[in-house]
Amino acid sequence: DADVTQTPRNRITKTGKRIMLECSQTKGHDRMYWYRQDPGLGLQLIYYSFDVKDINKGEISDGYSVSRQAQAKFSLSLESAIPNQTALYFCATSDPDRGGYTFGSGTRLTVV
Amino acid sequence: AQSVSQHNHHVILSEAASLELGCNYSYGGTVNLFWYVQYPGQHLQLLLKYFSGDPLVKGIKGFEAEFIKSKFSFNLRKPSVQWSDTAEYFCAVNAPPGFKTIFGAGTRLFVKA
Repeated sequence: DADVTQTPRNRITKTGKRIMLECSQTKGHDRMYWYRQDPGLGLQLIYYSFDVKDINKGEISDGYSVSRQAQAKFSLSLESAIPNQTALYFCATSDPDRGGYTFGSGTRLTVV
Repeated sequence: AQSVSQHNHHVILSEAASLELGCNYSYGGTVNLFWYVQYPGQHLQLLLKYFSGDPLVKGIKGFEAEFIKSKFSFNLRKPSVQWSDTAEYFCAVNAPPGFKTIFGAGTRLFVKA
């Protein structure tokens, strides 16, 4: 099994719909992140969580919300999807002592 | 604010050519530095990282990177690339406070067989 699992892998949704992207990890790390990847822009941080009770906005949090249901689970929601939220979304987890991120396989989201 | 600049957006090399991808960051304090690779259709994977100590860091698949503090640089190198190195490469840095990681825009490498 993958260390970080994202569901769904692909999703097409309509403008205005609410959608949730889910992420679970088996690394046992406290820190989890949601990033968005757009061609030529690298990865932009949407939200991050350093433990279950700690949720922080990243660079581009507008239009998104998150929920940290447990140490292993961190979900991202688009309350009312819009076309410019079409992107590849990655969840990641990290161990601050060992460094580096472990990424999930990504969710390709298309908003039409 | 912290930022990471990758100088080349696209690089095309022939097999066996040497590779150097530039990365510069803006932050005056202590930093942790990373290179990630994303093969086509896959997620990002850690290539190598620098926290402290020897500024020449060796990673997986024959890659290495050198941290030059005076130049705020962490360039990625490989003496002889292979077709299988075709991928996108991301430089990343994190620093206090909060240790959020900032990624560069990425460099797409295409290696011709």
